[in-house]
Amino acid sequence: ETGVTQSPTHLIKTRGQQVTLRCSSQSGHNTVSWYQQALGQGPQFIFQYYREEENGRGNFPPRFSGLQFPNYSSELNVNALELDDSALYLCATSAGAYIETQYFGPGTRLLVL
Amino acid sequence: EDQVTQSPEALRLQEGESSSLNCSYTVSGLRGLFWYRQDPGKGPEFLFTLYSAGEEKEKERLKATLTKKESFLHITAPKPEDSATYLCAVQQGTSYDKVIFGPGTSLSVIP
Repeated sequence: ETGVTQSPTHLIKTRGQQVTLRCSSQSGHNTVSWYQQALGQGPQFIFQYYREEENGRGNFPPRFSGLQFPNYSSELNVNALELDDSALYLCATSAGAYIETQYFGPGTRLLVL
Repeated sequence: EDQVTQSPEALRLQEGESSSLNCSYTVSGLRGLFWYRQDPGKGPEFLFTLYSAGEEKEKERLKATLTKKESFLHITAPKPEDSATYLCAVQQGTSYDKVIFGPGTSLSVIP
């Protein structure tokens, strides 16, 4: 088990609504990355935060936004939800921006109806 | 177009029946190739990083190898607890936005 936790575990929303997902970092980890994993697919990189600043972004529209707090916990916000946003959302934390040291949380399963 | 493919999509083995999973990639400037294990309802768990062609890494019953265009994950004498989805990912340069995951291979090991 990693020290990365995510909440909530499951969520159901309707199209057009907004959602906030949360991730608490493993102790000593100052970098958090968020991924979207559709059913039967590999994770897709959304963005990364390092010491509260966005440090890289994948091919996702601006309605996907994030925050990292001084304690290195993080939020992913998605506005104007679409049906295709239904997926498992994973956060991964690391001590520095090296993918090899990433530890993933268990994810939040989002269903948009 | 940069992409990562994995084969087979699903693999069913008898306990003790060794096999290999394949990860093929078409990216330029490969920085590293990563293998992960993902159990149902959990996030991916890091297994290996490979940096250059010819490199090999081993962990228990798993051995990962890398060539210029593909990587193999060899599973020797698998046990039921090895059942999981195995993901590979490639990274270009040092930017996280250049991390590309494959779709995974779902492995089932039957007692």
